[in-house]
Amino acid sequence: EDQVTQSPEALRLQEGESSSLNCSYTVSGLRGLFWYRQDPGKGPEFLFTLYSAGEEKEKERLKATLTKKESFLHITAPKPEDSATYPCSARQLTFGSGTQLTVLP
Amino acid sequence: DTGVSQDPRHKITKRGQNVTFRCDPISEHNRLYWYRQTLGQGPEFLTYFQNEAQLEKSRLLSDRFSAERPKGSFSTLEIQRTEQGDSAMYLCASSFSTGGETQYFGPGTRLLVL
Repeated sequence: EDQVTQSPEALRLQEGESSSLNCSYTVSGLRGLFWYRQDPGKGPEFLFTLYSAGEEKEKERLKATLTKKESFLHITAPKPEDSATYPCSARQLTFGSGTQLTVLP
Repeated sequence: DTGVSQDPRHKITKRGQNVTFRCDPISEHNRLYWYRQTLGQGPEFLTYFQNEAQLEKSRLLSDRFSAERPKGSFSTLEIQRTEQGDSAMYLCASSFSTGGETQYFGPGTRLLVL
């Protein structure tokens, strides 16, 4: 059975304090690892897709990386507006619970 | 706005009533997905369509839930005889079936069953 696990469940950072979010997956036949951002009361907003181990993608303060068993979302010098929940999904149908990120000014 | 739209955005109903939600996908997308999300959890897959065909349905989807996509464009999700446990955010997403299959989500319909 496909499984996606994210850690930590919640993360509080000071503005400018860099950190990483983890997404571990066990799926049969990965066809992409997807990262989203979700604000309260809204649908997930697409951030990145990674397809093969070693692949990296960047967007502003965010960088996503992929290995054969997990993906990381690195947040460099975060700002309060980066506060949101970040769910990941594998095979596009199986989502993790997300990491709730709070960036304090 | 050419994104995914959902209607209504909020629905309050009494236990035992039937409700129907509508989703209009991005017009070029041939796949349409339905998810349910409760507080603190990620989206939980319910079902998806490719054009008019319903290709996959979650084992968690009870017989009270039915979805249609009659002309391969918009879709409806109906819940019959609602229960309090059906209270959740119902999300719709759409994608192409090739070239990455990245899903784009709508704003969701929040259902509260009293």
